[in-house]
Amino acid sequence: EPEVTQTPSHQVTQMGQEVILRCVPISNHLYFYWYRQILGQKVEFLVSFYNNEISEKSEIFDDQFSVERPDGSNFTLKIRSTKLEDSAMYFCASSETVAGGGTGELFFGEGSRLTVL
Amino acid sequence: GQSLEQPSEVTAVEGAIVQINCTYQTSGFYGLSWYQQHDGGAPTFLSYNGLDGLEETGRFSSFLSRSDSYGYLLLQELQMKDSASYFCAVRDSHSNYQLIWGAGTKLIIKP
Repeated sequence: EPEVTQTPSHQVTQMGQEVILRCVPISNHLYFYWYRQILGQKVEFLVSFYNNEISEKSEIFDDQFSVERPDGSNFTLKIRSTKLEDSAMYFCASSETVAGGGTGELFFGEGSRLTVL
Repeated sequence: GQSLEQPSEVTAVEGAIVQINCTYQTSGFYGLSWYQQHDGGAPTFLSYNGLDGLEETGRFSSFLSRSDSYGYLLLQELQMKDSASYFCAVRDSHSNYQLIWGAGTKLIIKP
């Protein structure tokens, strides 16, 4: 069964360092998303991406964040200068149509846990 | 603004039925989704209601009343593996149909 894959599963970094989280969405999906979840809290939308550009972003997604689809399969989230409060689980998701189309179904990866020290 | 309210925690007994409620406030409601998330895992899609009424998928059902801005997830014949967090999420047409998530309900199942 097709799945969204994310690497790394866990990354520990020092405050102020740059981090790149990688995702391989499901191959026939057109819409890609990054969400984050601080431990024990709700899932927060960061950004959606379609047709090689950002289609929507939240207020969390400030200038220190960027996304890229460098080739036909990878979708990356870069955090330019990490802060302590960036520590969270970051989930990549993909869907065939916008926000999952008729059923609203997003397919999530297993997440990348980022710990900023 | 946009907001979703759901209980933070619900406790039930194995084999029983439990209902998790969700009320929402959004300017461009387009549908209500439910996701399950086990500790440390990825959210997985359970159900979607675009219209009023009940949608049934095996042991799980989801209900929507747009006039009441209310929905619920009903889990029957509870099993220990159903212990997880359950999130309701609303698609908002005024935010490019993005999902707006509730804070989640932790379901604790006792033997």
